[in-house]
Amino acid sequence: VVMTQSPLSLPVTLGQPASISCRSSQSLVHSDGNTYLNWFQQRPGQSPRRLIYKVSNRDSGVPDRFSGSGSGTDFTLQISRVEAEDVGVYYCMQGTQWPWTFGQGTKVEIK
Amino acid sequence: EVQLVESGGGLVQPGGSLRLSCAASGFTFSSYWMSWVRQAPGKGLDWVANIKPDGSEKSYVDSVKGRFTISRDNAENSLYLQMNSLRAEDTAVYYCARHPARSVDYWGQGTLVTVSS
Repeated sequence: VVMTQSPLSLPVTLGQPASISCRSSQSLVHSDGNTYLNWFQQRPGQSPRRLIYKVSNRDSGVPDRFSGSGSGTDFTLQISRVEAEDVGVYYCMQGTQWPWTFGQGTKVEIK
Repeated sequence: EVQLVESGGGLVQPGGSLRLSCAASGFTFSSYWMSWVRQAPGKGLDWVANIKPDGSEKSYVDSVKGRFTISRDNAENSLYLQMNSLRAEDTAVYYCARHPARSVDYWGQGTLVTVSS
């Protein structure tokens, strides 16, 4: 399954919203009825950190300015008001079909 | 607190071998699927392999099949990756990752493997 993110680079003004799109080459609905689409944040020099699992479930400790949505093959990560600590690369990842695959990454930077 | 600590990375010549280890703590290791994920310098994330909690099932991406072997020792709370016939394109940071329910919820800090003559 090929995961395609857009844009690949996203300059954002502090306090403004940001949106990242992720599209899969086939439906991510698993035979068990779940959609295994995850979002990860990788800050410079750090390991990835999961933000969202199964499309829209936010991990513990993740600020509520992060939200995930979508279905089937089209998914979106939204940041309602970008803060300086949000700088980094964001990856979508599908866990529906092995081998699990990541998107290319979207680099979020402050204008 | 969940901790995953990788070790064993380093510089190796093409065709050589290396064994990575991951020491897990803070959770019941024997209850979780575990994976290795890698990231080439300046590039994105790629799955390498995963292993069932009891070690009875293993999956690999095509690019490492026949060369890499994932294993685990639940008594020692450790995950391993034996890498043989290494190529330049295997150069990457290798992360140990815990994955429940077709996701990854914890990552190690990574260990760098450099394949070069």
